[in-house]
Amino acid sequence: GEDVEQSLFLSVREGDSSVINCTYTDSSSTYLYWYKQEPGAGLQLLTYIFSNMDMKQDQRLTVLLNKKDKHLSLRIADTQTGDSAIYFCAEKPGAGSYQLTFGKGTKLSVIP
Amino acid sequence: EAGVAQSPRYKIIEKRQSVAFWCNPISGHATLYWYQQILGQGPKLLIQFQNNGVVDDSQLPKDRFSAERLKGVDSTLKIQPAKLEDSAVYLCASSLEGGASTDTQYFGPGTRLTVL
Repeated sequence: GEDVEQSLFLSVREGDSSVINCTYTDSSSTYLYWYKQEPGAGLQLLTYIFSNMDMKQDQRLTVLLNKKDKHLSLRIADTQTGDSAIYFCAEKPGAGSYQLTFGKGTKLSVIP
Repeated sequence: EAGVAQSPRYKIIEKRQSVAFWCNPISGHATLYWYQQILGQGPKLLIQFQNNGVVDDSQLPKDRFSAERLKGVDSTLKIQPAKLEDSAVYLCASSLEGGASTDTQYFGPGTRLTVL
């Protein structure tokens, strides 16, 4: 099965908050990342959180980590049409290879 | 600071033909990655270089895919011969060290390959 799982679609109205969820399986993950991919573009690093933290805030972005449940979320406050994109959750293991394992991505659509 | 550069941006070939992609990482980044992103999926690592040596190529289909990073800077990824299932976006990323958990990967815009 998938190591990192995300819901595939999310639709919100402009100005509302968006919450994108992710679950992962590797309990040794050290860092968890959120990347944004706009159409025809590569992946842009949005934010990341170290596994010994439970929250990180960066302007409109809030990352929450529940390590016990292996659940990660990204909250975007005051969502704008420019936030429409695919958001990928990725985990990095704590030992051995430092490969990133990505989820399939959540497509966020912002309705004006 | 310039980002990761890739070319070409788009490529259309027929099956059984050969194709090559080029990547120029961020200056000073020792580690370079090639990912394959099939439509509707997240990127999957194909190969990771540390300077000009291969760190991990366990998911590279070596019967048809090859990659090199001469002089530890630019890299090329080649597919020979291509199959229909190789249609994907090929992403290059680079990071400063690669061997540390704190290392962050930065991605290029990708090359979209269509195999007919």
